[in-house]
Amino acid sequence: DARVTQTPRHKVTEMGQEVTMRCQPILGHNTVFWYRQTMMQGLELLAYFRNRAPLDDSGMPKDRFSAEMPDATLATLKIQPSEPRDSAVYFCASGLGSGANTDTQYFGPGTRLTVL
Amino acid sequence: AQKVTQAQTEISVVEKEDVTLDCVYETRDTTYYLFWYKQPPSGELVFLIRRNSFDEQNEISGRYSWNFQKSTSSFNFTITASQVVDSAVYFCALSVFQNTDKLIFGTGTRLQVFP
Repeated sequence: DARVTQTPRHKVTEMGQEVTMRCQPILGHNTVFWYRQTMMQGLELLAYFRNRAPLDDSGMPKDRFSAEMPDATLATLKIQPSEPRDSAVYFCASGLGSGANTDTQYFGPGTRLTVL
Repeated sequence: AQKVTQAQTEISVVEKEDVTLDCVYETRDTTYYLFWYKQPPSGELVFLIRRNSFDEQNEISGRYSWNFQKSTSSFNFTITASQVVDSAVYFCALSVFQNTDKLIFGTGTRLQVFP
């Protein structure tokens, strides 16, 4: 049963600390998405990659957030320095895509981040 | 611009009742895709179904069924004989052919099924 995996599942940290979230996409999927979910904003697309190349990171606060794909099986989202307003659930999703199109997006279990 | 509206914020039913979750979408594109995702209390987002705009056949999967009507721009989801395990937030989403990378989500409907 192929699934997107994310680590850690929960993270509590203090303001100013660096946070790194990791995602392993479904094997064979070439497109990886990062979303953030909050009560106020719902699901927001932060950034996404295809074949490890960033396609769009316009939803991401550039000054503190960074996303990378060191290899095809690992995507990372880093926040440095973290702030209380970054508290949210961060989802990774993966799918098969080409051009500007992705088939179905399959989501991971999410990382619940709390910044104190 | 595209938009998805889930007007029902929260629905409560008693086990074994049937329940329909409404989804209305807006797009000027003729080719598009509609999705439903389930988010149970554990928090993960689970894919349920994907339909393309050329396929208006209703879909049934066990106790779940989906009614796609282009005439009313709706893609409603019905759970028959609801169970406590159906308690979750359900999201409807839309993507258009020119850019299916971008999923437009509704705000979700929280379904509570009481025993």
